[in-house]
Amino acid sequence: AQSVTQLGSHVSVSEGALVLLRCNYSSSVPPYLFWYVQYPNQGLQLLLKYTSAATLVKGINGFEAEFKKSETSFHLTKPSAHMSDAAEYFCAVRGYQGAQKLVFGQGTRLTINP
Amino acid sequence: DARVTQTPRHKVTEMGQEVTMRCQPILGHNTVFWYRQTMMQGLELLAYFRNRAPLDDSGMPKDRFSAEMPDATLATLKIQPSEPRDSAVYFCASGFPPGGINNEQFFGPGTRLTVL
Repeated sequence: AQSVTQLGSHVSVSEGALVLLRCNYSSSVPPYLFWYVQYPNQGLQLLLKYTSAATLVKGINGFEAEFKKSETSFHLTKPSAHMSDAAEYFCAVRGYQGAQKLVFGQGTRLTINP
Repeated sequence: DARVTQTPRHKVTEMGQEVTMRCQPILGHNTVFWYRQTMMQGLELLAYFRNRAPLDDSGMPKDRFSAEMPDATLATLKIQPSEPRDSAVYFCASGFPPGGINNEQFFGPGTRLTVL
């Protein structure tokens, strides 16, 4: 069964600093991997996705993630944090063979310090 | 700007009452998902439909929850009778079938349910 683990339920960085949110996955088939962002009182919005094409995936709002099969990781990064990046971030995995369920991690709340 | 819409956005009810949440998927999307989000459990998939047919509702308590798609533009999630432990935010999402690369899920704003 597919699963994801997000390391760190809370991450705090200073404005302008590097953002690194960690996600490790477990999947018995080639995975599709996603990062979603949730702003307060809103639904989830797709940041980026990996679907077996390029291992370095660029998303919206300056975020990117790198798929590393050897490490079973899909960490999310942004070179310079902005106050508007404060939100909760979810990593999710879906199986390749027709599975449509998204299995979400527990989420990481990102706080940006001025 | 195509969006998933959900009504109501907020619902406060008393234990034992019936609750109905509605979702309008994005026009043309043929897959609809219902999720529940709580602090303790995070995001859980309750059920999902493809072409209005239920494909998987294994995450849904069958004794009190029911999900339907009366037509392609409306999905409903009902709880009867409601209990305080059902208090959560319920999200609907819609998407495309698998096989293509553009098969992300689009989430609605959620219904925040409080059962007293």
